[in-house]
Amino acid sequence: DGGITQSPKYLFRKEGQNVTLSCEQNLNHDAMYWYRQDPGQGLRLIYYSQIVNDFQKGDIAEGYSVSREKKESFPLTVTSAQKNPTAFYLCASTPPGTSYYEQFFGPGTRLTVL
Amino acid sequence: GQNIDQPTEMTATEGAIVQINCTYQTSGFNGLFWYQQHAGEAPTFLSYNVLDGLEEKGRFSSFLSRSKGYSYLLLKELQMKDSASYLCAVVDSNYQLIWGAGTKLIIKP
Repeated sequence: DGGITQSPKYLFRKEGQNVTLSCEQNLNHDAMYWYRQDPGQGLRLIYYSQIVNDFQKGDIAEGYSVSREKKESFPLTVTSAQKNPTAFYLCASTPPGTSYYEQFFGPGTRLTVL
Repeated sequence: GQNIDQPTEMTATEGAIVQINCTYQTSGFNGLFWYQQHAGEAPTFLSYNVLDGLEEKGRFSSFLSRSKGYSYLLLKELQMKDSASYLCAVVDSNYQLIWGAGTKLIIKP
């Protein structure tokens, strides 16, 4: 089945540790996105990438880093510089050549920093 | 600044009709999405409007008025499985999605 996978679904880390969240898609989508969702708030864009080896900061990029070495993969690293990393993280991708920008989402990773 | 407003929470009865409103103020407009999100899960696409008017898709309909900066999602024949959050998102002039905080819909028997 084609889709977007994120792993793990739940992740616990100690304060001060870096952690990398995985996002893989086999939909042949060009653009990929990382969002953060906090209770009672909308999705906030962290980083996005429209092609391999290129990515752009979103609204809340501080304390996060990404890479896009392959079209299928867009991992997100939450660094110790992120002051409040506990949140629900969603990865999304967009099909190529569409006239609008429907985003397809992975199942999400809930990160808890202890 | 860019702003999207939705009610925080709504309650409706199984079998009834509910309308969830969304008003927006954004830098440019290239379409509006409605997504459904069950608790702890990913959002799933419901509808997309770029022209004024009503788009109907089964039990769900979405309306857009660009001049008023207003949209609504209409859910008919409510079922318990419709209990979820409904997210409104606008595509701005840079083709970025601006998300509302979502409306939590509670369905009662």
